[in-house]
Amino acid sequence: DGGITQSPKYLFRKEGQNVTLSCEQNLNHDAMYWYRQDPGQGLRLIYYSQIVNDFQKGDIAEGYSVSREKKESFPLTVTSAQKNPTAFYLCASCMGRFQGATTGELFFGEGSRLTVL
Amino acid sequence: QQQVKQSPQSLIVQKGGISIINCAYENTAFDYFPWYQQFPGKGPALLIAIRPDVSEKKEGRFTISFNKSAKQFSLHIMDSQPGDSATYFCAASITGNQFYFGTGTSLTVIP
Repeated sequence: DGGITQSPKYLFRKEGQNVTLSCEQNLNHDAMYWYRQDPGQGLRLIYYSQIVNDFQKGDIAEGYSVSREKKESFPLTVTSAQKNPTAFYLCASCMGRFQGATTGELFFGEGSRLTVL
Repeated sequence: QQQVKQSPQSLIVQKGGISIINCAYENTAFDYFPWYQQFPGKGPALLIAIRPDVSEKKEGRFTISFNKSAKQFSLHIMDSQPGDSATYFCAASITGNQFYFGTGTSLTVIP
């Protein structure tokens, strides 16, 4: 089945540690996104990528890093510089503008919940 | 600056009633307006979407009303059911580019 797979579903981190959240999609989408979700704040964009080997900072990129070496994969690293990393992280993908996107539908993974101990 | 403003933050409706959630936007270049439904611990899923060339779109019990001149759009859930209890997000985008989300509405439908 086509979709987006995020792992792990739950992750615990000690202060000062970097952690990497995995996001894999088999939808042949060019565009991929990382969002952070906190109660009452909706979805805030961390990073997005329109094509392989290219990515852009979103509204809250500080303390995070990404890579886009393969079309299918867009891992997010939460670094020790992120002051308050406890949150629910969502990865999403859609057809990109280089694919002549017409529907605009954004597909989400099931999320990863990160807790800092 | 919030590109998409959503209200109310929370909503309680009796079973069988109508749930209405409102959103407003500023950027007239937006050409795609989806609504997403999210259950606790899950990722959001597309519920219904509209483009600005139509004023209304209906899918089952869910209807989007779109007012281009006012730069507003709303989700109406008819005959609300307890299973509709979830968080709803409106969003806006320029097709193929990034999405801007509202802050979400937590809907509770009381049996």
